[in-house]
Amino acid sequence: GESVGLHLPTLSVQEGDNSIINCAYSNSASDYFIWYKQESGKGPQFIIDIRSNMDKRQGQRVTVLLNKTVKHLSLQIAATQPGDSAVYFCAERGTSYGKLTFGQGTILTVHP
Amino acid sequence: DTAVSQTPKYLVTQMGNDKSIKCEQNLGHDTMYWYKQDSKKFLKIMFSYNNKELIINETVPNRFSPKSPDKAHLNLHINSLELGDSAVYFCASSPSSADTQYFGPGTRLTVL
Repeated sequence: GESVGLHLPTLSVQEGDNSIINCAYSNSASDYFIWYKQESGKGPQFIIDIRSNMDKRQGQRVTVLLNKTVKHLSLQIAATQPGDSAVYFCAERGTSYGKLTFGQGTILTVHP
Repeated sequence: DTAVSQTPKYLVTQMGNDKSIKCEQNLGHDTMYWYKQDSKKFLKIMFSYNNKELIINETVPNRFSPKSPDKAHLNLHINSLELGDSAVYFCASSPSSADTQYFGPGTRLTVL
C-alpha cells in the first residue's frame, strides 16, 4: 500500500474506539495550529484549528488540545470509523504572512 | 464545484524539460500558496501570493517561478526539471494570510 516505506508514526485502532494523535511543535511564538487529514491521492483537508489563547476546542467527533508549556498538540477522534483512515498532519503558524509549518504526519488505520 | 483546482493531476516528463502547473480557486480568497510534498509525505511551503503580490518565497531553486495573473490563479513554472523535483505539488488558498488554508487535489510530477 501507499504507506509502505514511509516510516511515519502509525496508529491502528478498531472501529468504534477513540483515537489520539499527538504532535510536538517547534516554535513557541506560533499563534495558530491546525489539523489536516489527507486521504490517499487527495489534498490535505481541514479538520479543526485552535488559537494559542485556547487550550481546547471541540468539533464534531474531534477535539484538539493544546499544551503550550510543553509545545504539544493532540487530536482526539471519538468513535473512530473506517473512513477516518488517513494521514493526519498538524501544522503551526508563526507570525510570518501565514506560513504554515507542517509536522511529519501520522498514519491512522481503522479496522472494521 | 471544486473550490481549489489544479491541472494537470499527473505530469510525467523528462529531465531538462520545462513544465507548468496551474491552480485556480473560485472561493474569492486573496491568498494562494504552493506546497511540495515529497516521497516521505513531508509538506513544505514554497511560495505564497496575496492579491497577486509575492509574500512568501522559501529557499527554492530559481528554476521554480510562480506567476499570479489575477488573485484567483497561481501558476507554477519549472525550468530545467531535475529528478529531485519529482513530488506532489499542492496549491492552497485562504481568505487572507491569517486564515485557514484550503488545499487543491495535488499534481503528481514525475521526472524521468
